[in-house]
Amino acid sequence: DVKVTQSSRYLVKRTGEKVFLECVQDMDHENMFWYRQDPGLGLRLIYFSYDVKMKEKGDIPEGYSVSREKKERFSLILESASTNQTSMYLCASSQPQGAGGANVLTFGAGSRLTVL
Amino acid sequence: DQQVKQNSPSLSVQEGRISILNCDYTNSMFDYFLWYKKYPAEGPTFLISISSIKDKNEDGRFTVFLNKSAKHLSLHIVPSQPGDSAVYFCAASNNAGNMLTFGGGTRLMVKP
Repeated sequence: DVKVTQSSRYLVKRTGEKVFLECVQDMDHENMFWYRQDPGLGLRLIYFSYDVKMKEKGDIPEGYSVSREKKERFSLILESASTNQTSMYLCASSQPQGAGGANVLTFGAGSRLTVL
Repeated sequence: DQQVKQNSPSLSVQEGRISILNCDYTNSMFDYFLWYKKYPAEGPTFLISISSIKDKNEDGRFTVFLNKSAKHLSLHIVPSQPGDSAVYFCAASNNAGNMLTFGGGTRLMVKP
């Protein structure tokens, strides 16, 4: 069964700590994404990557960075966690949207981060 | 400003009846629209999509309608089942990129 795996389901960190969220996909997808989900705000894109070592900012990149050293792995980094980064973080992957096709993302189960 | 909006945060429906979830968008460049379903403690799963050149797409109990002039789409679930209780997200994409823009979600509760 193909899937997107997020290594940590629940994390509790303190303000100022560095946080790594890891994501691995086994579908050989080109694109990978990090979203955060907050009540009433839906899913907001933090960063995405369309190739190894390539990254693009999404709608809310401030306070985050990413790393994609291998095609199957996309990491989200919070350099200095703050309480307003308490959220559900969702990783996703997809193939590039070809002509005439919908961009269907496959999501991981999510990582719920609490920053105290 | 949100380009994709779901104005109803929640919806309660009796089992067997129709559920109608609505979504509005502002960007006329969107060319594909998707619906995702999310259960608690799980990631969103793809449900159904529609191209902007169509006005209806059907898959079993799920039908999506698109009204381009009104920049509005809706998801119909008939008949609704208790297992349909979840949060539903509307999303849109355009040919210029590979990103999806999501709405805020609607929590559907189907009562037995």
